[in-house]
Amino acid sequence: SQQGEEDPQALSIQEGENATMNCSYKTSINNLQWYRQNSGRGLVHLILIRSNEREKHSGRLRVTLDTSKKSSSLLITASRAADTASYFCATDAEGGGADGLTFGKGTHLIIQP
Amino acid sequence: NAGVMQNPRHLVRRRGQEARLRCSPMKGHSHVYWYRQLPEEGLKFMVYLQKENIIDESGMPKERFSAEFPKEGPSILRIQQVVRGDSAAYFCASSPRPNEQYFGPGTRLTVT
Repeated sequence: SQQGEEDPQALSIQEGENATMNCSYKTSINNLQWYRQNSGRGLVHLILIRSNEREKHSGRLRVTLDTSKKSSSLLITASRAADTASYFCATDAEGGGADGLTFGKGTHLIIQP
Repeated sequence: NAGVMQNPRHLVRRRGQEARLRCSPMKGHSHVYWYRQLPEEGLKFMVYLQKENIIDESGMPKERFSAEFPKEGPSILRIQQVVRGDSAAYFCASSPRPNEQYFGPGTRLTVT
């Protein structure tokens, strides 16, 4: 099942601007992960934030997690044309196991040069 | 339209045995991706297949692992002579086109 819901479904911005994508989920989680998919390729893992963390940074990426609202955001600063891709959030539910990882449908990000 | 199906959901193998994991894509989907997830880690891409073709296997270990997506039937991820380090959750995803992925529930492989 796909419990993560990314918002917006599509986003188009100018190069150099910041891009923010949101993800909401329904159940208690161990961690939340963000992935990128370039056209025709497999998912690439970007960042993992644990349920006891509120914010995490990696390069130009900043992820926040609000477990009380069951939501997360991914911020890409100073966007580049190469950031054009689809971005997915995935939640690793408490209890683990093969049921533990569920994905949203993704946000398609387009960076206009 | 049923979602992506994977079986078995749980698989236990002794060291040296073979593991076969199956993935039935959603109807009309001709792209299949396989991923491996170790505990507390993100997914790692393994292989991307279209019907009868391997498009990208850059994430597949060089030995013991193989994947196929025949014209008829499910996609199969085969692991020969399993070792303890192969214990993980294996997820497949299918899509009708690039940039969309619909994930199966995963198969948890335990090697004893």
